[in-house]
Amino acid sequence: AAGVIQSPRHLIKEKRETATLKCYPIPRHDTVYWYQQGPGQDPQFLISFYEKMQSDKGSIPDRFSAQQFSDYHSELNMSSLELGDSALYFCASSPRIFGNTEAFFGQGTRLTVV
Amino acid sequence: DAKTTQPNSMESNEEEPVHLPCNHSTISGTDYIHWYRQLPSQGPEYVIHGLTSNVNNRMASLAIAEDRKSSTLILHRATLRDAAVYYCILRDVNAGGTSYGKLTFGQGTILTVHP
Repeated sequence: AAGVIQSPRHLIKEKRETATLKCYPIPRHDTVYWYQQGPGQDPQFLISFYEKMQSDKGSIPDRFSAQQFSDYHSELNMSSLELGDSALYFCASSPRIFGNTEAFFGQGTRLTVV
Repeated sequence: DAKTTQPNSMESNEEEPVHLPCNHSTISGTDYIHWYRQLPSQGPEYVIHGLTSNVNNRMASLAIAEDRKSSTLILHRATLRDAAVYYCILRDVNAGGTSYGKLTFGQGTILTVHP
């Protein structure tokens, strides 16, 4: 079965550079969530999209932006990267009946800022 | 968001059952109880979910208290591959409001399985 695809899997950037992370949800899933997980930490919710509109916002820095496109894939854009942005970034997708369905997570993008 | 409370860590021996508790005293009527687990450097993986009745699937069982203020994830025979961080999360069934099914990860339970 198709899973959530994230690209790239690994990314190395220098401070002050920009990065774009991509997420391709499971077909017919209309909701996408982004999470950031620092070393030794639990996943922290960043932002979500439902039917291509931002549906919820968490602890996402102003330097980050995201959107969901007409094909439901999503991109997380990160500018002015800082060393503290080094983390695993997960994307998850879900069909719209939220409580009674599972969310599927991708394998993540490991971002290293040097 | 309604919060959950789990023990920091638990240990088990291989082939033995494991009972992972979770308290969620402020659960609302529209919250489903979800369990996910995460292996190191991997994305969280769905385990099981339920609303009021006990649930079974190929991975685990979920026992939900009658008042829904607590639940227990049961791994019937722990294997070394079950060693992971287990998260108990409340997921609202409703679209809209402030939720849209967001999963809020709190401090999970680190499960260690001994050979």
